[in-house]
Amino acid sequence: DGGITQSPKYLFRKEGQNVTLSCEQNLNHDAMYWYRQDPGQGLRLIYYSQIVNDFQKGDIAEGYSVSREKKESFPLTVTSAQKNPTAFYLCASTAGGGSTQYFGPGTRLLVL
Amino acid sequence: DAKTTQPPSMDCAEGRAANLPCNHSTISGNEYVYWYRQIHSQGPQYIIHGLKNNETNEMASLIITEDRKSSTLILPHATLRDTAVYYCIVRVARQGAQKLVFGQGTRLTINP
Repeated sequence: DGGITQSPKYLFRKEGQNVTLSCEQNLNHDAMYWYRQDPGQGLRLIYYSQIVNDFQKGDIAEGYSVSREKKESFPLTVTSAQKNPTAFYLCASTAGGGSTQYFGPGTRLLVL
Repeated sequence: DAKTTQPPSMDCAEGRAANLPCNHSTISGNEYVYWYRQIHSQGPQYIIHGLKNNETNEMASLIITEDRKSSTLILPHATLRDTAVYYCIVRVARQGAQKLVFGQGTRLTINP
């Protein structure tokens, strides 16, 4: 089945620790995105990538980093500089010529 | 992207049609209307989109008024699994990555 997978489903981080969230897609989509969602709120864009080896900051990039070494993978690292990382993180992708974004199941990050 | 207005919540009986309204009075001629839904603790799911003609797929129908200032998403036979937050988004359809702006949406509850 084609789709977007995110792992893990739940992730716990200790203070001062970096953690990496995985996002993989087998849809052959060019563009990929990371969003953050806080309880009762809409989605906010962290980073996005239009093609391999290229990515752009979104609205709330501070404290986060990404890489796009392969078309199908777009991992997100939440660094210790992100002071309030507890949230629901969503990865999405879009085909090159389309505007419809398809989302993964999300990763819930909790700070211990 | 044009701003949208949706009622914060709606109820519908199981088996009946659920009609979710959306106002987008400042929509531009090249902006599409997209609908997504988010079931609790899952990633958003694409439902349908349209420009000016009514659209139908296996999930729902989209009715757009002639002046394009409002639209209605119709779930023809609602089931309990349709309980979710439904988001109406207006945006230009173009190539390249672009973020989705999710508002507060409509929390739809399907009652048995």
